[in-house]
Amino acid sequence: QKEVEQNSGPLSVPEGAIASLNCTYSDRGSQSFFWYRQYSGKSPELIMFIYSNGDKEDGRFTAQLNKASQYVSLLIRDSQPSDSATYLCAVNDGNKLVFGAGTILRVKS
Amino acid sequence: SAVISQKPSRDICQRGTSLTIQCQVDSQVTMMFWYRQQPGQSLTLIATANQGSEATYESGFVIDKFPISRPNLTFSTLTVSNMSPEDSSIYLCSVVVGRTGELFFGEGSRLTVL
Repeated sequence: QKEVEQNSGPLSVPEGAIASLNCTYSDRGSQSFFWYRQYSGKSPELIMFIYSNGDKEDGRFTAQLNKASQYVSLLIRDSQPSDSATYLCAVNDGNKLVFGAGTILRVKS
Repeated sequence: SAVISQKPSRDICQRGTSLTIQCQVDSQVTMMFWYRQQPGQSLTLIATANQGSEATYESGFVIDKFPISRPNLTFSTLTVSNMSPEDSSIYLCSVVVGRTGELFFGEGSRLTVL
């Protein structure tokens, strides 16, 4: 069974700061990596996915992948109070996704 | 993405009863999954709903407890049978759209078992 590890947090950052969320995974053969955001009482929504080593940017979000270290991260620039949510890292296991426990992010205004 | 509708959105059930959750997608999808999210926990995959054949269940989940139907490429049902309070969870239907493996979720069905 593949494992995905995340610090549960909460991670607290001031408004306007960079929030850095981290995730490690157990299977070196994993190919696809996803970040989801989940607001309280809502279902997860996809923020970004990444397949290749390096950085991938989309607006205020940057996903970083290091397959050698089995590490994927999500950076949120200019954090806003509306970014306060639980962020879930997910890794593919064949056609399925395995989710981490999630990191709670709190952005304080 | 896809529009994924689940019914019911929430329900309160009595111990020992069964409830069927419906999932309707606005387009044909090959891969459809059912996840469970217990209070304060992350998502756990229950099963892959296979069109025209029996669902593929993950370790710890069995067909007698969670029977699944998938009669076509846009619709699936999950039944939670003989419910106990431990079954109180959010149940999420999800589908893969496109070739890059992105998974999208329905709004979820929040079940409370008394």
